Amino acid sequence: NAGVTQTPKFQVLKTGQSMTLQCAQDMNHEYMSWYRQDPGMGLRLIHYSVGAGITDQGEVPNGYNVSRSTTEDFPLRLLSAAPSQTSVYFCASRLAGGPHNEQFFGPGTRLTVL
Amino acid sequence: GENVEQHPSTLSVQEGDSAVIKCTYSDSASNYFPWYKQELGKRPQLIIDIRSNVGEKKDQRIAVTLNKTAKHFSLHITETQPEDSAVYFCAAENTGNQFYFGTGTSLTVIP
Repeated sequence: NAGVTQTPKFQVLKTGQSMTLQCAQDMNHEYMSWYRQDPGMGLRLIHYSVGAGITDQGEVPNGYNVSRSTTEDFPLRLLSAAPSQTSVYFCASRLAGGPHNEQFFGPGTRLTVL
Repeated sequence: GENVEQHPSTLSVQEGDSAVIKCTYSDSASNYFPWYKQELGKRPQLIIDIRSNVGEKKDQRIAVTLNKTAKHFSLHITETQPEDSAVYFCAAENTGNQFYFGTGTSLTVIP
């Protein structure tokens, strides 16, 4: 049971490049989310999904796309990277069966946009 | 949307003393309040949580209190140890299953 996994761990992009951050979980969790963490700002929700085929915007969705074709995977796409997207990105998942189930985080991806 | 404020941003205590971190939230419909501990370079990990129908919850040296009327909740760590040094985040979940986080408290326990 690997829990929540993310790849890559580190990435450097040039302004305007696109890339996909991968997230996978093997716990059969319905809910998955993407957060970004910036110094002094805590974690902010980018996009989330309550199940395969369903996604919704969070607090800071601009510049990012997501899709959820399977229960296990929830990739985050940066369409045209900007320096303001330099951040640490965390994926998280949890069960949907109860109202307040623990959210499990992946190890994070540190992204730098030059 | 929800707005979660967390204080203080930094906290230093002597080993064995208590530490208290406070958070306020704005959406009265928020109903779940977890606390996370994040060590340097690591992922956030849940340490304790409380639901809106409970006023207090304790787990060994860690406790959380919730005042729904005032819309604030607090983390209490007693008998602090050096391994408690980390950044602590509070969060609030709204009825749309979205989590809003505080800006974090960097706790240093001085041996």
